[in-house]
Amino acid sequence: EAGVTQFPSHSVIEKGQTVTLRCDPISGHDNLYWYRRVMGKEIKFLLHFVKESKQDESGMPNNRFLAERTGGTYSTLKVQPAELEDSGVYFCASSQGRWTYEQYFGPGTRLTVT
Amino acid sequence: GDSVTQMEGPVTLSEEAFLTINCTYTATGYPSLFWYVQYPGEGLQLLLKATKADDKGSNKGFEATYRKETTSFHLEKGSVQVSDSAVYFCALRDTGGFKTIFGAGTRLFVKA
Repeated sequence: EAGVTQFPSHSVIEKGQTVTLRCDPISGHDNLYWYRRVMGKEIKFLLHFVKESKQDESGMPNNRFLAERTGGTYSTLKVQPAELEDSGVYFCASSQGRWTYEQYFGPGTRLTVT
Repeated sequence: GDSVTQMEGPVTLSEEAFLTINCTYTATGYPSLFWYVQYPGEGLQLLLKATKADDKGSNKGFEATYRKETTSFHLEKGSVQVSDSAVYFCALRDTGGFKTIFGAGTRLFVKA
């Protein structure tokens, strides 16, 4: 069974540009999560989808970030326009259920904004 | 709000040394506690977990015990190997839920 995949693995963009990160969850997993690790600090929750619906986007830093999950399969996270402080590693995770089920994480996308 | 604090790294050990990575948490409810590991170039993997007080999680020679009285979940291994070199994250998930709260991570280097 394929795990959670993320694309690209690394992205380098200039301040003011737009970047779109993609996450493909494990097949059949309704729950999809985005997390971010900035500057070697703790990994922070960004948002949670159940199928195509956003259940909680309380961790989204500001309106420059837009997450979508059309059709309840893969998800994209767009940053527009990117700022220097957006640099970090963006992780995606998926799970079958909520409380009792393990969240499976992808390898992350390293975003560098110069 | 809920939070996790873990010891800063990096931690450098020789092969076969004893490992302890300290982790303490703050939570209003009765969270489940986790240790995740990230090997170079890979994603986060669940290493072990404990869902209630006094539970001991264990995997691959690593152990951690859920201590409610000290709000701690320290990671230990009796004899580390070079292949254990990675970043280790302590985490909790609250009773509600779905949101995992992580510590800052501790990088471990094991020398041959």
